[in-house]
Amino acid sequence: DVKVTQSSRYLVKRTGEKVFLECVQDMDHENMFWYRQDPGLGLRLIYFSYDVKMKEKGDIPEGYSVSREKKERFSLILESASTNQTSMYLCASSFTGEMGTDTIYFGEGSWLTVV
Amino acid sequence: GESVGLHLPTLSVQEGDNSIINCAYSNSASDYFIWYKQESGKGPQFIIDIRSNMDKRQGQRVTVLLNKTVKHLSLQIAATQPGDSAVYFCAENLGYSTLTFGKGTMLLVSP
Repeated sequence: DVKVTQSSRYLVKRTGEKVFLECVQDMDHENMFWYRQDPGLGLRLIYFSYDVKMKEKGDIPEGYSVSREKKERFSLILESASTNQTSMYLCASSFTGEMGTDTIYFGEGSWLTVV
Repeated sequence: GESVGLHLPTLSVQEGDNSIINCAYSNSASDYFIWYKQESGKGPQFIIDIRSNMDKRQGQRVTVLLNKTVKHLSLQIAATQPGDSAVYFCAENLGYSTLTFGKGTMLLVSP
């Protein structure tokens, strides 16, 4: 089974703190993603990466950065956390499946509260 | 802009009934669709997918139907069980490995 592991399930941080959310996948997937999920807004893409040291902005990159130093690890960084970044963050990875399209698999999520 | 949406925000069924969750999409260029199940406090779990050159695909107790004429996607769950209670998302893929998600439908299964 595909396994996407997010190191922290629940975090509480103070406004202005630097926050790291770590994600590891064990299936040698090329692609990795960070989403946030908010009630009424659904899943929104923050950043994604097609390869090591490569990153692309998603729909809502402002206030976030990412790091992909190794293929299996994709980190989301909040340089200076703000209360509007309180959310559930989902990491995902993907491979090209039998139909020649990419199937995205998610981790269990990290609940971040910024106070 | 074009988006993925759902007709029903909440669907309540009795255990043993068949459930149908609907999704409308508006981007005719979408070539791949996925259904996800998300239980409370967990990440979305892949259920089944379908490519635009197909109109039906079956899995274990689930069937996805794709009607490209009216840009409609549905997920059918046979003999719904209490463990099926969750939020179900459809997602469309335009390529480039990124997905556009619908807001989700809550499925509530009563014993």
